Amino acid sequence: TQLLEQSPQFLSIQEGENLTVYCNSSSVFSSLQWYRQEPGEGPVLLVTVVTGGEVKKLKRLTFQFGDARKDSSLHITAAQPGDTGLYLCASRGGSNYKLTFGKGTLLTVNP
Amino acid sequence: SAVISQKPSRDICQRGTSLTIQCQVDSQVTMMFWYRQQPGQSLTLIATANQGSEATYESGFVIDKFPISRPNLTFSTLTVSNMSPEDSSIYLCSVKDGGSGETQYFGPGTRLLVL
Repeated sequence: TQLLEQSPQFLSIQEGENLTVYCNSSSVFSSLQWYRQEPGEGPVLLVTVVTGGEVKKLKRLTFQFGDARKDSSLHITAAQPGDTGLYLCASRGGSNYKLTFGKGTLLTVNP
Repeated sequence: SAVISQKPSRDICQRGTSLTIQCQVDSQVTMMFWYRQQPGQSLTLIATANQGSEATYESGFVIDKFPISRPNLTFSTLTVSNMSPEDSSIYLCSVKDGGSGETQYFGPGTRLLVL
């Protein structure tokens, strides 16, 4: 089972600040997904990255997949209180359907 | 997309009792999964619920403790048996769209506290 390390574990910032969270593994990802989980809800898929070096943007969120496909980052520009939540990275195992999750980054954006 | 509902949304139970959690999907799906999210932890896959056959359990999870039913393509149940405080957790139902699609959807979760 692939081990996903996420950092930082906790992040508390003020509205308008920028932030980056990271997801790393010692082995190569076939693909990587980022989810956001808000309190009282299940995780919601934000993006899937597949190709090394790939960059995807979702409004103020920028997702990057490392060239070697062993790491990924999520950058949020001008964070808003609505961005508050648990950000999880996940990858699929060899069977192509089992998702393995990192421990997540708990982000709090203060108004 | 798939919309997933779970019942109950939360419960407080006494140790030694059992709780059955229901998961209903608004469309027929091939793959349904049950995850556990312990306090401050990430999601851990308990089992894959297979329609018409026994569930496939991950390492560390057994059928006697977490029996699962999957009577059709839109419904599944997970029972947490003989509960202890260590079973206090969020239990999440999840489905994956068919074919080679990557999108996986999650229910809102069932928050369980065992006293």
